[in-house]
Amino acid sequence: EVQLLESGGGLVQPGGSLRLSCATSGFTLSTSGMTWVRQAPGKGLEWVSSISPSGDSIYYADSVKGRFTISRDNSKNTLYLQMNSLRVEDTAAYYCARGGVIRAIYDYWGQGTLVTVSS
Amino acid sequence: QSALTQPASVSGSPGQSITISCTGTSSDVGGYNYVSWYQQHPGKAPKLMIHDVSNRPSGVSDRFSGSKSGNTASLTISGLQTEDEADYYCSSYTSSRTRVFGGGTKLTVL
Repeated sequence: EVQLLESGGGLVQPGGSLRLSCATSGFTLSTSGMTWVRQAPGKGLEWVSSISPSGDSIYYADSVKGRFTISRDNSKNTLYLQMNSLRVEDTAAYYCARGGVIRAIYDYWGQGTLVTVSS
Repeated sequence: QSALTQPASVSGSPGQSITISCTGTSSDVGGYNYVSWYQQHPGKAPKLMIHDVSNRPSGVSDRFSGSKSGNTASLTISGLQTEDEADYYCSSYTSSRTRVFGGGTKLTVL
């Protein structure tokens, strides 16, 4: 059974940092593009970042470029999102999903982890 | 990258058909056959309903279908059921090598 489990969310002050993790199981991570999608409370979905299976191709939304870093450790079956210089508008549930940036066949999703940026 | 344009809400009665539109530009929806659709129930993760404009994943009801004409993609749900009541989002690849989602459409089954 394919499972994605996010962790690392929480309350952080503006300007602070967090690292999200997405532990995967039930499939071979090294053959899958992976993506982070976020959803602000009561709002719609926003694509954040995608990474190719090997990690050599990385893509970011303009809203997070230069502040967020996506990475993966295929040996640990884990996807990461390092978030720096956090802003109030980054407050959202962050989902990891299996799939890349082009075809975006996001067939499996985690349950989401909530990031709250507030003073 | 601006969000794709979807109607904020649509409604229909059980058994009827509805269509949700998703309008972009030639740099996203119109330029690529990489449009996907997601269903999201309150408090749940999104679920993939359609990919590559009109392809339905295994396990998704054939009441759901997708199409595209020019810069507008569409999701049609036939034979509406109460469990179809949810939010629906379209998404497209873009010429900037990013993805963009639509603003979402709330479907109410009356």
